[in-house]
Amino acid sequence: EAAVTQSPRSKVAVTGGKVTLSCHQTNNHDYMYWYRQDTGHGLRLIHYSYVADSTEKGDIPDGYKASRPSQENFSLILELASLSQTAVYFCASSEGTGGDERLFFGHGTKLSVL
Amino acid sequence: QQQVRQSPQSLTVWEGETAILNCSYENSAFDYFPWYQQFPGEGPALLIAIRSVSDKKEDGRFTIFFNKREKKLSLHITDSQPGDSATYFCAASKNGGYKVVFGSGTRLLVSP
Repeated sequence: EAAVTQSPRSKVAVTGGKVTLSCHQTNNHDYMYWYRQDTGHGLRLIHYSYVADSTEKGDIPDGYKASRPSQENFSLILELASLSQTAVYFCASSEGTGGDERLFFGHGTKLSVL
Repeated sequence: QQQVRQSPQSLTVWEGETAILNCSYENSAFDYFPWYQQFPGEGPALLIAIRSVSDKKEDGRFTIFFNKREKKLSLHITDSQPGDSATYFCAASKNGGYKVVFGSGTRLLVSP
C-alpha cells in the first residue's frame, strides 16, 4: 500500500509568518500534488510536480510556493501566511498522469493562521 | 467555477437502506470519474472509478451509474452500514491530463 506522510499534522501560525508543510512518499511515484480542502469547496489543486527540482502551478497557486528537492519529498511554502490560508492541506502522489491514475493521499495538515 | 457538482451536501440513511449520491460535470472532455471516500482526520482514498465508455461499474455494495449524454453520474451504496459514514467526493479527469477536479463532497451518515 502506497504511503504518503505529512508533517506536521497540525500547525498554528501567525499572520505574516512563514510556514512550511512537508510531504514524504515511499512509493517511487513520479507525481506529487498539494491540495487544499475547505468546507464547501472540496479539494483544490495548489501545485504539483512530476520530476525532482521542478514544480508546476495548479488551480490556486497564489500565495504558495512549492519545492521538490527529491522524488520522495515535496514541500509547500507559505512565505507570508494570511488568515485566508487557514485550511486543511493534503499531499498526494501517483505513479503518472494517464488520467486514470489513483491518487494516494496523506493524512493532511490542519493549518490555522491567527 | 464549479466543474464538478455534487448533491446533496449531506445525507442521512438508516442502516440497510440504499444511499444515493449524485454528481454532475460540465466538461465533456472528462472521461474518467473516480469516487474518493474520506473518514474524519484522514485523507481521501479511492473507493471506485468508472470510465466514460461504461455506463455502470459495480464493486460489492458500491455501484456507479453513468449517463454520458446528461453528464451525470451517481454512486449507490446498497445495504448501508454505519462504517460507511464518511464524506464522498466525486472527481473527474481527462485521459492524459494531470488535473483531477473534485466536487465539494457529500457527507453521509448511516444511522444504526
